[in-house]
Amino acid sequence: GENVEQHPSTLSVQEGDSAVIKCTYSDSASNYFPWYKQELGKRPQLIIDIRSNVGEKKDQRIAVTLNKTAKHFSLHITETQPEDSAVYFCAAKGIGGDYKLSFGAGTTVTVRA
Amino acid sequence: NAGVMQNPRHLVRRRGQEARLRCSPMKGHSHVYWYRQLPEEGLKFMVYLQKENIIDESGMPKERFSAEFPKEGPSILRIQQVVRGDSAAYFCASSQAGSDGNTIYFGEGSWLTVV
Repeated sequence: GENVEQHPSTLSVQEGDSAVIKCTYSDSASNYFPWYKQELGKRPQLIIDIRSNVGEKKDQRIAVTLNKTAKHFSLHITETQPEDSAVYFCAAKGIGGDYKLSFGAGTTVTVRA
Repeated sequence: NAGVMQNPRHLVRRRGQEARLRCSPMKGHSHVYWYRQLPEEGLKFMVYLQKENIIDESGMPKERFSAEFPKEGPSILRIQQVVRGDSAAYFCASSQAGSDGNTIYFGEGSWLTVV
């Protein structure tokens, strides 16, 4: 099955700086890569996703890049704000009979005011 | 359009009792996934179901855990003879037909505490 690794496990940034989280995946057949944000005691919420036919996608302060050859993808948050503090999870989805989302271990992001 | 609905939101059970967690997928979604999240840990896949079918249960513990998604009604995750280690948040998610790249949405979760 798919194995997703995520780094770093914790990230502390000054407000206004950028945050970058990186993930690698094992299954070259995966073609869907979402990112979820989870605040304490709440559900994971989809913040952005990318499909394998696209190399980069941006939504306001959030961007995701995908390198299919190297099997890694990254989340970039620019101009960080205190409300960006949360746990972020990357995920990858296989194709064929294996449709489940496999998650990375998560990155706890703390934005210092 | 209501989102993924889970109940109960919080459940307390004594060791040895049974826990039943229910999940109604989003309207138009026919695929349901259950994930478990231990305190301060990531999301671990448990089971993927379609109506009346278990597609992938590779993440389900071999004993005490079962899941179903009947033709009518919500999906149910059942934990028999609960132990303290079962204390966790159980998240249900749903999607449209499980072809490549369909977005998966999560419910608010059910927090199980075993005392």
